[in-house]
Amino acid sequence: DTGVSQNPRHKITKRGQNVTFRCDPISEHNRLYWYRQTLGQGPEFLTYFQNEAQLEKSRLLSDRFSAERPKGSFSTLEIQRTEQGDSAMYLCASSQAGNTEAFFGQGTRLTVV
Amino acid sequence: GEDVEQSLFLSVREGDSSVINCTYTDSSSTYLYWYKQEPGAGLQLLTYIFSNMDMKQDQRLTVLLNKKDKHLSLRIADTQTGDSAIYFCAETAAAGNKLTFGGGTRVLVKP
Repeated sequence: DTGVSQNPRHKITKRGQNVTFRCDPISEHNRLYWYRQTLGQGPEFLTYFQNEAQLEKSRLLSDRFSAERPKGSFSTLEIQRTEQGDSAMYLCASSQAGNTEAFFGQGTRLTVV
Repeated sequence: GEDVEQSLFLSVREGDSSVINCTYTDSSSTYLYWYKQEPGAGLQLLTYIFSNMDMKQDQRLTVLLNKKDKHLSLRIADTQTGDSAIYFCAETAAAGNKLTFGGGTRVLVKP
């Protein structure tokens, strides 16, 4: 297992289009997190799952955003009707519940034009 | 709510020690972390400290925690050019819960 994998690495989309990102966590990890990082800022928490259950959602996650983890393994983050303000790096992380260490993927950089 | 603050920028000469500072407001912070981010890359976990400790050393890295003042620092000994990156501190109230990050400190190592 080479760590947390995110696809695609880069996505350019036109405003108003829908986009979907995928995250494959470290295989034995049951927690999966999504964060958003805008230029010059630290990552901000969006949501996290334990197995297939979505346990917490940030107020940053508007109704245009939806995340799923249907089988408790990989996760998808979908943004509908993208806006320019959605341009950011979307980071995924995974950990084992109760474990102190969360490991991050390389991120998906979204540019909305 | 939780807030984590860091200075924006640090410049250091190769071979010197770097000290990066962080303050946080959440008194229920239990674990405090340091992550490193290189350009265009994700976050690499460097080290973490539990709130009942005041110091942790790991090779060139030393973490100091002053829980009373809610102040965390990361010292990098013998700083190398490969240490040039953005360093983020982060906190969480419980292991495995969401992390709250600071805005990052950009460290530039000059030869």
